[in-house]
Amino acid sequence: GAGVSQSPSNKVTEKGKDVELRCDPISGHTALYWYRQRLGQGLEFLIYFQGNSAPDKSGLPSDRFSAERTGESVSTLTIQRTQQEDSAVYLCASSSDGRLNTEAFFGQGTRLTVV
Amino acid sequence: AQSVAQPEDQVNVAEGNPLTVKCTYSVSGNPYLFWYVQYPNRGLQFLLKYITGDNLVKGSYGFEAEFNKSQTSFHLKKPSALVSDSALYFCAVRDIEGTSGTYKYIFGTGTRLKVLA
Repeated sequence: GAGVSQSPSNKVTEKGKDVELRCDPISGHTALYWYRQRLGQGLEFLIYFQGNSAPDKSGLPSDRFSAERTGESVSTLTIQRTQQEDSAVYLCASSSDGRLNTEAFFGQGTRLTVV
Repeated sequence: AQSVAQPEDQVNVAEGNPLTVKCTYSVSGNPYLFWYVQYPNRGLQFLLKYITGDNLVKGSYGFEAEFNKSQTSFHLKKPSALVSDSALYFCAVRDIEGTSGTYKYIFGTGTRLKVLA
């Protein structure tokens, strides 16, 4: 597609349920990032994928969070046993190659509300 | 560790006046610096970047940024502000030489710009 696409755009879930967030990067982009943005705050790095290399998972806040990416295409971020503090906007971004001086392009985000 | 600071939570400026949004950085290697803008309920949009070369970088929507190595700053500027420039602005840094062992973007906490008519 023309840009980074994220789905769903909004998700309301009950505390304790699992959720899956999806990101479709720009076609041909080998790098993919997930960030979390809590209300009124900056962007918190979660995970970075580069091609078929092992992902940088250093930003995942707990073992309830995991992410997968199939080759250089779609990525899913999974949050298990959601807690109210997981409520945030989850942003996905892609770039042509994370090892180069290229900028990242962001999706519109998924707003997650845990009730 | 690499980091970015945006010292102002909010900047107010009158329409037509010049604007500056401040950013300072700390990296162990060469800095690769970016500015992004976020409009309400939208994702981040890329404005401009500094990689190497001229210290004055021009970007989208009439914005420019000045890289100052001695002051470790990368302030965003625009000669004449528009009401439509009102948004949240983020500065970001990367260390793509991997001295920190990662290629992630480190973002500042954001500065809300309000342009008053």
